[in-house]
Amino acid sequence: NAGVTQTPKFQVLKTGQSMTLQCAQDMNHEYMSWYRQDPGMGLRLIHYSVGAGITDQGEVPNGYNVSRSTTEDFPLRLLSAAPSQTSVYFCASSYTLTRRGGELFFGEGSRLTVL
Amino acid sequence: KNEVEQSPQNLTAQEGEFITINCSYSVGISALHWLQQHPGGGIVSLFMLSSGKKKHGRLIATINIQEKHSSLHITASHPRDSAVYICAVRRTGANSKLTFGKGITLSVRP
Repeated sequence: NAGVTQTPKFQVLKTGQSMTLQCAQDMNHEYMSWYRQDPGMGLRLIHYSVGAGITDQGEVPNGYNVSRSTTEDFPLRLLSAAPSQTSVYFCASSYTLTRRGGELFFGEGSRLTVL
Repeated sequence: KNEVEQSPQNLTAQEGEFITINCSYSVGISALHWLQQHPGGGIVSLFMLSSGKKKHGRLIATINIQEKHSSLHITASHPRDSAVYICAVRRTGANSKLTFGKGITLSVRP
């Protein structure tokens, strides 16, 4: 199993550019989520999905869009990149939110720099 | 006050020492996760707990729901245990979200 595959690993953007971070899992997980990790702060939830066609906002959703057209894929779109979006992004999934099947699986992370 | 607090902030230990990392939380939870992140690396799930105690190799995780507290113990620590250890809680309720602590940086010296 590939687990959670996240691409690209590194990206440099100019202010105002748009891009998509890709996240795919092959474990038939219902729950997928995107986080950003900044120095001195814990992981913060950007958006999440509890199944295909269902998405919701997390703590820091502004400037990001998501969609979940299939169970496997959960892309994160930056509409107009800003320097404040410089961060490391992680995609995570779990089978369910309940105690059984709630183990988390993370992608390797994407380091984004916005100039 | 953060909903998830970890202590100590940073930790340096000598190889072979017994290490304890603490996590306290202030909300009702359905589960607590311990995660490990090596420098420049991805994040790996170590444990998911809803009660009691779990053990995997040299790692032991405990949780006390009444006291809203969990500990991660590392026995016979090794330099390869050097990493950031993150506590995260899944709050009770539908579509419950994860709240993360800031993480503890552990350095184990040979």
